[in-house]
Amino acid sequence: DAKTTQPPSMDCAEGRAANLPCNHSTISGNEYVYWYRQIHSQGPQYIIHGLKNNETNEMASLIITEDRKSSTLILPHATLRDTAVYYCIVRISGGGADGLTFGKGTHLIIQP
Amino acid sequence: EAGVAQSPRYKIIEKRQSVAFWCNPISGHATLYWYQQILGQGPKLLIQFQNNGVVDDSQLPKDRFSAERLKGVDSTLKIQPAKLEDSAVYLCASSLFDRGTDTQYFGPGTRLTVL
Repeated sequence: DAKTTQPPSMDCAEGRAANLPCNHSTISGNEYVYWYRQIHSQGPQYIIHGLKNNETNEMASLIITEDRKSSTLILPHATLRDTAVYYCIVRISGGGADGLTFGKGTHLIIQP
Repeated sequence: EAGVAQSPRYKIIEKRQSVAFWCNPISGHATLYWYQQILGQGPKLLIQFQNNGVVDDSQLPKDRFSAERLKGVDSTLKIQPAKLEDSAVYLCASSLFDRGTDTQYFGPGTRLTVL
């Protein structure tokens, strides 16, 4: 799986949009970008994934650059409950359902 | 639907003792994973099952760790004997394994402290 690079930590004010960047410059054509988050003392939680088009669901939006070398996860109206470690993972979707390779992620802190 | 269940939630043992963790995946999920998460790091895959067969155990320290998934449902992960460096959270996850959707659902984890 391609390697990803994320900032170790970020702050965001409650009610504002939180934009979490991820670099994946060595991504292959058949690799998807996945985002998971882990709230303190809980297991990781799936957020969203995409291949090359922008994606949106009830939790977040995923913006992938045209060259696919980077992406941004957007939490449109951050709340205190969004404080968590966010992991950007690149992997082949549906390709045998392989295990996830986590990095250290970005610790997002939502400030009241 | 019920999520992935794990027990116990916490365990404290002394080094060289043995310990076992239990996982009950989401009903109907064929794929089950065990991850180890050391403090300050992301989870690391230890073993992956497809039904009751092992798909990937390349990162499992087989001299002390073992895992089984009888009847393709529940799974247990055992450590014998435990070392200080085994202190971590052990996470179980499951997925449906249907092409186009392989989202993994994680349990709350078991926090192991080895003294």
